[in-house]
Amino acid sequence: DAGVTQSPTHLIKTRGQHVTLRCSPISGHKSVSWYQQVLGQGPQFIFQYYEKEERGRGNFPDRFSARQFPNYSSELNVNALLLGDSALYLCASSLGGSSYNSPLHFGNGTRLTVT
Amino acid sequence: GDSVTQMEGPVTLSEEAFLTINCTYTATGYPSLFWYVQYPGEGLQLLLKATKADDKGSNKGFEATYRKETTSFHLEKGSVQVSDSAVYFCALSGSQGNLIFGKGTKLSVKP
Repeated sequence: DAGVTQSPTHLIKTRGQHVTLRCSPISGHKSVSWYQQVLGQGPQFIFQYYEKEERGRGNFPDRFSARQFPNYSSELNVNALLLGDSALYLCASSLGGSSYNSPLHFGNGTRLTVT
Repeated sequence: GDSVTQMEGPVTLSEEAFLTINCTYTATGYPSLFWYVQYPGEGLQLLLKATKADDKGSNKGFEATYRKETTSFHLEKGSVQVSDSAVYFCALSGSQGNLIFGKGTKLSVKP
């Protein structure tokens, strides 16, 4: 079975622009989560969606938004990009909605560079 | 809030050396604990996990024991290989269904 797939793998944007990142979960997984990983740091939680509803949100500004589609794939949108948004954006999927008992499986990420 | 603290790297070892990476946590409830590994250019892979106190997670020769009394989940391996070179992240399950990660420890193993 295919793992979590993310697109694009790399992206370069200019300050003020908008970006959309995409994620396809492992087949059968109903939860998708998004994390931001700045160079040299651990991933930071942005959003979790389970069964197409937002289940959790991290400490990120309203410029960040996401949604989950009926086929459980997901998009992360970031508006008015800042230099500080440059990071690796990781998508993870899981069977259930809780990391306590439903391990997260991560994709290889989208490397976003804002210039 | 809940948090994870892990030893700072980088850690450089010779092949077949013993590895310990320390991890301590702060949590209000009883989280599950995880170690994830990130190889260069790749996403995170689950290495092992433990869901309750005194549980031992193990995989690929790595082990970690959930110690509630010391709020720790240290990662150990008896004999490291060059292929173990990667960044290791300790994490706990958060209240929003998320994972809370430490900053990561980079391990380099020399032949």
